[in-house]
Amino acid sequence: GAVVSQHPSWVICKSGTSVKIECRSLDFQATTMFWYRQFPKQSLMLMATSNEGSKATYEQGVEKDKFLINHASLTLSTLTVTSAHPEDSSFYICSARRSYEQYFGPGTRLTVT
Amino acid sequence: LAKTTQPISMDSYEGQEVNITCSHNNIATNDYITWYQQFPSQGPRFIIQGYKTKVTNEVASLFIPADRKSSTLSLPRVSLSDTAVYYCLVVGATDSWGKFQFGAGTQVVVTP
Repeated sequence: GAVVSQHPSWVICKSGTSVKIECRSLDFQATTMFWYRQFPKQSLMLMATSNEGSKATYEQGVEKDKFLINHASLTLSTLTVTSAHPEDSSFYICSARRSYEQYFGPGTRLTVT
Repeated sequence: LAKTTQPISMDSYEGQEVNITCSHNNIATNDYITWYQQFPSQGPRFIIQGYKTKVTNEVASLFIPADRKSSTLSLPRVSLSDTAVYYCLVVGATDSWGKFQFGAGTQVVVTP
């Protein structure tokens, strides 16, 4: 099957610091990966599309300077939350596209204190 | 991306069949209908995908009428472990393929 992993699964950081979240496609290559954010009791909200070797495309309302995305290889995309604040606390989920299908990672719980 | 509408919640008992209907009136010719399942604090898990008529796999069936403006996910003989949020998505086979827009989903609660 197609497996996508995320690291870390949870992280607690202090306000003002930066946090990096990794998303890896373990058994396939993904030229396109996606980053979502999900607040409690809400649906997933697409944040950005990450394409290998090019700049990410951000959805309207998502600050590209705050949520830095790098897709340096066909199996790895990273999301860095810069200068995190408590309102950035959320569940971050990545997905990787393979052909016409999309596979989701297990998610990363970010808590900013 | 076609907008989808589905019930906010559904309750069922173990062993019953659960049918969740999703409306997607603006579905385009090249769009597929895809359903995902999500448990709390986990990423969504693919359930089934179809284009028209009926699709069946080991966990569910998907019924799509001829006009494709709606679809029904059928979960046979549900168990407690089927309690989850179910999302209906319409995915287009264009350059934006894979760019999902999740709706509110349907919270299914299965009780003994």
